[in-house]
Amino acid sequence: DIQMTQSPSSLSASVGDRVTITCRASQGISNYLAWYQQKPGKVPKLLIYAASTLQSGVPSRFSGSGSGTGFTLTISSLQPEDVATYYCQNYNRAPLTFGGGTKVQIK
Amino acid sequence: EVHLVESGGGFVQPGGSLRLSCAASGFTFSSYTMGWVRQAPGKGLEWVSDISGSGDATYYADSVKGRFTISRDNSKDTLNLQMNSLRAEDTALYYCAKAHQPIGSAYDIWGQGTVVTVSS
Repeated sequence: DIQMTQSPSSLSASVGDRVTITCRASQGISNYLAWYQQKPGKVPKLLIYAASTLQSGVPSRFSGSGSGTGFTLTISSLQPEDVATYYCQNYNRAPLTFGGGTKVQIK
Repeated sequence: EVHLVESGGGFVQPGGSLRLSCAASGFTFSSYTMGWVRQAPGKGLEWVSDISGSGDATYYADSVKGRFTISRDNSKDTLNLQMNSLRAEDTALYYCAKAHQPIGSAYDIWGQGTVVTVSS
């Protein structure tokens, strides 16, 4: 099975900071990688699919990159409404594993 | 508007069974892979199972294989998850989710979830 490892597990940054979250797959998954945002008490929301394609309606400050085993999610200018936990997910083949999550807070 | 509404959660003793359902609307249900994802209290997301649009192909996490069965009724736009031999570690909020594209895709639409509690 493919394991997805996210880092860091949590971070605290100031409004306007550039934030980067990393996701590493234990085997190559091409670009079959999604990023989700889950705000406290809310349903997960798809941000990015195919490693770098922004889902409709998602602010352009979010971007994704990577292929194979290494991926990143970047928030170019952190906003208060971005406080959430972010998850990566492999959907190359079952099991469609999620990363452990990265909790983003405002400093 | 696309909607997913889960039902069937509840309280069950270890070893018991529950059947979750997810009613879909607003899209051509039979064209899309559907899945179940769960989240234990205070924990991260865990993928549980997927089923192809036709229902011919099913996939399971190792943690539920042999105990859970995913199915769908395309005539009723309904997704199901039969959960048997439930364990305390199955306690979670269970989400129904729709694949973004017909085959092999991330989930773009999620339901609000239904809570399953397994305890003696």
